[in-house]
Amino acid sequence: DGGITQSPKYLFRKEGQNVTLSCEQNLNHDAMYWYRQDPGQGLRLIYYSQIVNDFQKGDIAEGYSVSREKKESFPLTVTSAQKNPTAFYLCASRGLAMNEQFFGPGTRLTVL
Amino acid sequence: GQQVMQIPQYQHVQEGEDFTTYCNSSTTLSNIQWYKQRPGGHPVFLIQLVKSGEVKKQKRLTFQFGEAKKNSSLHITATQTTDVGTYFCAGLRIQGAQKLVFGQGTRLTINP
Repeated sequence: DGGITQSPKYLFRKEGQNVTLSCEQNLNHDAMYWYRQDPGQGLRLIYYSQIVNDFQKGDIAEGYSVSREKKESFPLTVTSAQKNPTAFYLCASRGLAMNEQFFGPGTRLTVL
Repeated sequence: GQQVMQIPQYQHVQEGEDFTTYCNSSTTLSNIQWYKQRPGGHPVFLIQLVKSGEVKKQKRLTFQFGEAKKNSSLHITATQTTDVGTYFCAGLRIQGAQKLVFGQGTRLTINP
């Protein structure tokens, strides 16, 4: 997991503002994922990308956007359209030859 | 859509007691993975099961994959305080995109 970094660890924003969460990996993994975790709940998939310049919606993509311009980077933008953005956001990556996902340390977003 | 149900949601045990969490999928899975998330941390991969009826052991942890590849369990023998955390199962679908569907997790707390 040391190969995936997310910044910042804690983020505060005012309601109505867009915010971008960073995710960088140096594992040379092709696939990257964004999950949202709410208290007492499992991980829900927001977006995923299996190759540069391509990404797909997950189960809860509404109010979020992503880009995959570089293999190492998969930033997530939480837009003002997301009704309940306060949550713990986890980024993960996976090599194509494996199924195991490696998670970053997460970003805890609080919208005031 | 596919669902992966995990029970119980919470489990509190005395140190030294055994612990089991169960995972059930609404559809057949290609494989199932287990992750552990320590309090305040991020999920860390424990193991992957692929074959029908497969049983794998890691020291005091025993993982099973059902014959129909729709259910799985994780059993911890003689729990220790280091076992505290939330345990997630995650199923990989046979058809569709290579993405995991996570159970809600079982949060294990231990009385020393």
